[in-house]
Amino acid sequence: QKEVEQNSGPLSVPEGAIASLNCTYSDRGSQSFFWYRQYSGKSPELIMFIYSNGDKEDGRFTAQLNKASQYVSLLIRDSQPSDSATYLCAVTGDYKLSFGAGTTVTVRA
Amino acid sequence: DVKVTQSSRYLVKRTGEKVFLECVQDMDHENMFWYRQDPGLGLRLIYFSYDVKMKEKGDIPEGYSVSREKKERFSLILESASTNQTSMYLCASGSMNTEAFFGQGTRLTVV
Repeated sequence: QKEVEQNSGPLSVPEGAIASLNCTYSDRGSQSFFWYRQYSGKSPELIMFIYSNGDKEDGRFTAQLNKASQYVSLLIRDSQPSDSATYLCAVTGDYKLSFGAGTTVTVRA
Repeated sequence: DVKVTQSSRYLVKRTGEKVFLECVQDMDHENMFWYRQDPGLGLRLIYFSYDVKMKEKGDIPEGYSVSREKKERFSLILESASTNQTSMYLCASGSMNTEAFFGQGTRLTVV
């Protein structure tokens, strides 16, 4: 079993809709959880982090963490064409930072 | 401003060559990481280091080694390059359990 699994996608949503991205992780000792965005040909950049159970909102982005279910999600509200990218879920524990394979999102104008 | 710098953007090497990829960070981070990224496979961790001279294997260490003689520098070494090591290599640094910052990546082609 991979340490970090994401819904495979690709995900296509119309402009203005909500994009929902999911991620599960295998290590119950994981401590911090991140969502990175990666545009084609660029390096990943952090968009959200979450450490505690519950929701965390930042602008149009909401991260949700459920440690009991070992599940973390990202919602993108009012999706814009500029949100078209690959979204990577990342998890830390014992100094190690592990990533999922990523979900490619395309926002249709 | 945060800065992680990889020594080369593009590299072409021959099979069997010893290859060095260098990464330098200026944020005094304890942790540094080397990943490779291939289409459909995401970022796969090769090695990481949480202190000077300390190194830990990631998920795919075979065929690679690393060196961290100074806190700001983390080197990835391909002992004998092979064509299946053609990939995008990404270096990152960060503090304990906080976000990691990435370098610009090195696209390595082994011919």
